[in-house]
Amino acid sequence: AQKVTQAQTEISVVEKEDVTLDCVYETRDTTYYLFWYKQPPSGELVFLIRRNSFDEQNEISGRYSWNFQKSTSSFNFTITASQVVDSAVYFCALSEARYSSASKIIFGSGTRLSIRP
Amino acid sequence: NAGVTQTPKFRVLKTGQSMTLLCAQDMNHEYMYWYRQDPGMGLRLIHYSVGEGTTAKGEVPDGYNVSRLKKQNFLLGLESAAPSQTSVYFCASSYERERPEQFFGPGTRLTVL
Repeated sequence: AQKVTQAQTEISVVEKEDVTLDCVYETRDTTYYLFWYKQPPSGELVFLIRRNSFDEQNEISGRYSWNFQKSTSSFNFTITASQVVDSAVYFCALSEARYSSASKIIFGSGTRLSIRP
Repeated sequence: NAGVTQTPKFRVLKTGQSMTLLCAQDMNHEYMYWYRQDPGMGLRLIHYSVGEGTTAKGEVPDGYNVSRLKKQNFLLGLESAAPSQTSVYFCASSYERERPEQFFGPGTRLTVL
């Protein structure tokens, strides 16, 4: 069975600090996808990134970076020089690329990130 | 493009009442999904559809029905609302299996008294 664990329920840092959000996943499949979504206080869910299981290359997008390590089943998300606008709930998610035709995604319980001015 | 839209944004029901939530997407996505979000529980899949005229059960389907009569629309129905169905409901859509990222609507906040 697939499972996504975000052990950090809440994190609070001062603006400009770096912060890493942890994500650990479980799956028996060899081919799968990992995602991060952001849910700001306004409530919408914003897609941030998708990573395929066969691509362990880390990715950087501006102040955001993602570290995918299959050996530890982790897909961590780092925000560098955090800003107040980064305050949100962040969800890590997993989808198995099975024979089924639907891309069902399993979400973690989320990490609430608060950036203090 | 409007992306994924949901109607209504807010609704208050009394126990036993029925209602339908409408989801529409203009991205020509094949797959559509309904989730509910409850505090501390992340998102849980209610029902999903892999194409026009098809539906399937997700993780928490009891008390809900869905229909996908048109590719761009996915309806979620509550036949007899219960307080346990108080939640925020999100619709999402995705293009294909090889591009499985889902794009979400703004959500519907439903309260059942």
